[in-house]
Amino acid sequence: GQQLNQSPQSMFIQEGEDVSMNCTSSSIFNTWLWYKQEPGEGPVLLIALYKAGELTSNGRLTAQFGITRKDSFLNISASIPSDVGIYFCAGPQYYGGSQGNLIFGKGTKLSVKP
Amino acid sequence: EAGVTQSPTHLIKTRGQQATLRCSPISGHTSVYWYQQALGLGLQFLLWYDEGEERNRGNFPPRFSGRQFPNYSSELNVNALELEDSALYLCASSPGQQETQYFGPGTRLLVL
Repeated sequence: GQQLNQSPQSMFIQEGEDVSMNCTSSSIFNTWLWYKQEPGEGPVLLIALYKAGELTSNGRLTAQFGITRKDSFLNISASIPSDVGIYFCAGPQYYGGSQGNLIFGKGTKLSVKP
Repeated sequence: EAGVTQSPTHLIKTRGQQATLRCSPISGHTSVYWYQQALGLGLQFLLWYDEGEERNRGNFPPRFSGRQFPNYSSELNVNALELEDSALYLCASSPGQQETQYFGPGTRLLVL
């Protein structure tokens, strides 16, 4: 079945550094989503990508939809302490041509040292 | 606009009991999804409801069930609770069968 491989599993960085994480799949996805989850809360949608090669920004966050449609990248520039959390990539599972539930990567846990 | 809401926030049960978790989607959203997030296991898809019908279920036993009401809110029922059912249960909604899903804060279930 479809699986998403997300790396790295965790990152411990200094405030002000840039962060890069990625997600790969053996299957093609038509949509890539990036969520952030803080402790005790549900995931919050950060960026949605709908087209191969698309590069989309949301403040200091930039995500790209890989040209092969089998990968996606999320970059965070000039990290700050509130960036702490777990970042998940996700893609839709398809049923008979219709989108259904999401499949998630295992997450990248980001820790930022002030 | 109110987001996805879930109740209760926390639930403590003992083995063998039944748990009922509730979800209210964003106004106008007709699809509701349930996910289980157990420690160290990531988000696992449980159930998907759209327009009152169960559209798909994940790889979970039949003691995980649910329903969607005419107002599109949803209930997740877990029967014969086991210790490994302890997890954060997340509900998400979307406007119809779209991939962009918005999550609620979750219900943390602890089975003792």
